[in-house]
Amino acid sequence: SQQGEEDPQALSIQEGENATMNCSYKTSINNLQWYRQNSGRGLVHLILIRSNEREKHSGRLRVTLDTSKKSSSLLITASRAADTASYFCATVPSGGYQKVTFGIGTKLQVIP
Amino acid sequence: NAGVMQNPRHLVRRRGQEARLRCSPMKGHSHVYWYRQLPEEGLKFMVYLQKENIIDESGMPKERFSAEFPKEGPSILRIQQVVRGDSAAYFCASSPDSPGANVLTFGAGSRLTVL
Repeated sequence: SQQGEEDPQALSIQEGENATMNCSYKTSINNLQWYRQNSGRGLVHLILIRSNEREKHSGRLRVTLDTSKKSSSLLITASRAADTASYFCATVPSGGYQKVTFGIGTKLQVIP
Repeated sequence: NAGVMQNPRHLVRRRGQEARLRCSPMKGHSHVYWYRQLPEEGLKFMVYLQKENIIDESGMPKERFSAEFPKEGPSILRIQQVVRGDSAAYFCASSPDSPGANVLTFGAGSRLTVL
């Protein structure tokens, strides 16, 4: 079964608005990552947050991690039409080897 | 550095035939992952390999599917006697040896259609 579950599964917003996507997971993690997938393409890594970090920024992206609730959120500020894509969270378990497990994704549509 | 190269990009097979999907990881990466994606769905983990070793194949069906990552050459995902339900996009990703890195670089995928 998939480790991460994103919500909402689909999100439609106007250009310029902020988009927030959430991810919940079940087991202890070493780190959590967010990826983006444009239609018909491979995934592209966006940002990684380690289990001992609570918040991380990269450009218009802000990721938070709450290990007590086993959840993370990805905020995209001032969205653009080019942000239209599917966004996936991925978890790497603590201990053991580097298996990376993906959630089902949030499909974001940014309307110009 | 050409990134992760997958081929073929598109493959059409008839039921009962074999499909071979190839993945060349990024230079310097010795970890390879295979994922399967159905339309409008997430990525389902299939198998994780290091050079010459299968580390985790828990996501791969026990029958008809196999994967390898030889010392020389690309990683191969092999599907024997394909059925219509095997139609999907198969993505390969690689990561470097650095402990705790785990950041995956994906290929563009191989889209298998079974007629």
